[in-house]
Amino acid sequence: KQEVTQIPAALSVPEGENLVLNCSFTDSAIYNLQWFRQDPGKGLTSLLLIQSSQREQTSGRLNASLDKSSGRSTLYIAASQPGDSATYLCAFGGSARQLTFGSGTQLTVLP
Amino acid sequence: EAGVAQSPRYKIIEKRQSVAFWCNPISGHATLYWYQQILGQGPKLLIQFQNNGVVDDSQLPKDRFSAERLKGVDSTLKIQPAKLEDSAVYLCASSTHRVKESGNTIYFGEGSWLTVV
Repeated sequence: KQEVTQIPAALSVPEGENLVLNCSFTDSAIYNLQWFRQDPGKGLTSLLLIQSSQREQTSGRLNASLDKSSGRSTLYIAASQPGDSATYLCAFGGSARQLTFGSGTQLTVLP
Repeated sequence: EAGVAQSPRYKIIEKRQSVAFWCNPISGHATLYWYQQILGQGPKLLIQFQNNGVVDDSQLPKDRFSAERLKGVDSTLKIQPAKLEDSAVYLCASSTHRVKESGNTIYFGEGSWLTVV
């Protein structure tokens, strides 16, 4: 059974700091890895999608990497802002194109 | 483009009552998902449809949960009878990809928040 783990569960940083969120998975048969953002009371918004043939994807201040051999993905946020405060979820895309989610990292960026 | 629409947004029911949630996916999206998200956890897949056929419902508690997607567009998720542990957000999502194709972005609705008392 696929397991997805996110560390840390919660993170609080001052504005302007660069930060890294971690995601690990147990199944090496990965098709893609997605990072989502969830604001309180809202649904999920897809941030970055990395196909299994790729090593990283970038969007603005966000960079996500994928290392299939070690079963890890990281989300790097540069120059964090208070508006980045949210829960960040990674999701493993397997053979049936379903997503298995981690429990998320709750990020707070302090002004 | 319009997003994934869900209703109702909030529902409070007593245990043993029934409830139904409705989802309208993004136009043209063949794949539709229902996820359950319990507070503090990541979403868990309940059922996946490809057009109007079920691809996977292995984690759907079939003794109390049912879902259908008539005509391959809208979908309804029903819970009967509800238990206290069913309190969660029920997220509907859709995507364009077929099961055997490479993954594309999945789009989520804002969810239906269920409280069972």
